[in-house]
Amino acid sequence: SQTIHQWPATLVQPVGSPLSLECTVEGTSNPNLYWYRQAAGRGLQLLFYSVGIGQISSEVPQNLSASRPQDRQFILSSKKLLLSDSGFYLCAWTRDRASPLHFGNGTRLTVT
Amino acid sequence: AQTVTQSQPEMSVQEAETVTLSCTYDTSENNYYLFWYKQPPSRQMILVIRQEAYKQQNATENRFSVNFQKAAKSFSLKISDSQLGDTAMYFCAFMPPSSNTGKLIFGQGTTLQVKP
Repeated sequence: SQTIHQWPATLVQPVGSPLSLECTVEGTSNPNLYWYRQAAGRGLQLLFYSVGIGQISSEVPQNLSASRPQDRQFILSSKKLLLSDSGFYLCAWTRDRASPLHFGNGTRLTVT
Repeated sequence: AQTVTQSQPEMSVQEAETVTLSCTYDTSENNYYLFWYKQPPSRQMILVIRQEAYKQQNATENRFSVNFQKAAKSFSLKISDSQLGDTAMYFCAFMPPSSNTGKLIFGQGTTLQVKP
């Protein structure tokens, strides 16, 4: 069966510091991968998605970037965090567009 | 633009009773997918139910069922025999057919409180 791992679970970082959140999927190959952000316990905003190694699409302009160095690895990064980057970040994967999204457990990021 | 609207920010229901959560969406496309996700206090996103727009029959998963009204662009979730464990935020989501990447568009969520 397929599983998705996301870490760390919580993170407190000062403004201006770098960020690296990691997500890996097991039990499948060539998944579609996604990073979502959820602010203040409300709706999810799609940040990035990837349909293959090295292929990253950005949905909204922001202080963040994403990379996919391996087939089942998706990384969310920032060189300098802003206060507005605080939120709950969720990684997700799907096999194809006909399949539902499966989410990781999320990372709660607090920028101080 | 394709949008998903959940007009009920918060709802409550007594344990064992039935509750319906509303969702409407806006699209000019014909074939698409709709989903309901549940986010309990642990904040993990859990798929509740899925509906394919070309299927007229409403999807059902145990105590969860949907009322899919394609012409009205409405996709409500009914929870029967509510249990305390159903307390969570519920998100309606839409996947357009033009999205070959599987991207989902989410509503703002409805917080459901099941009372003992």
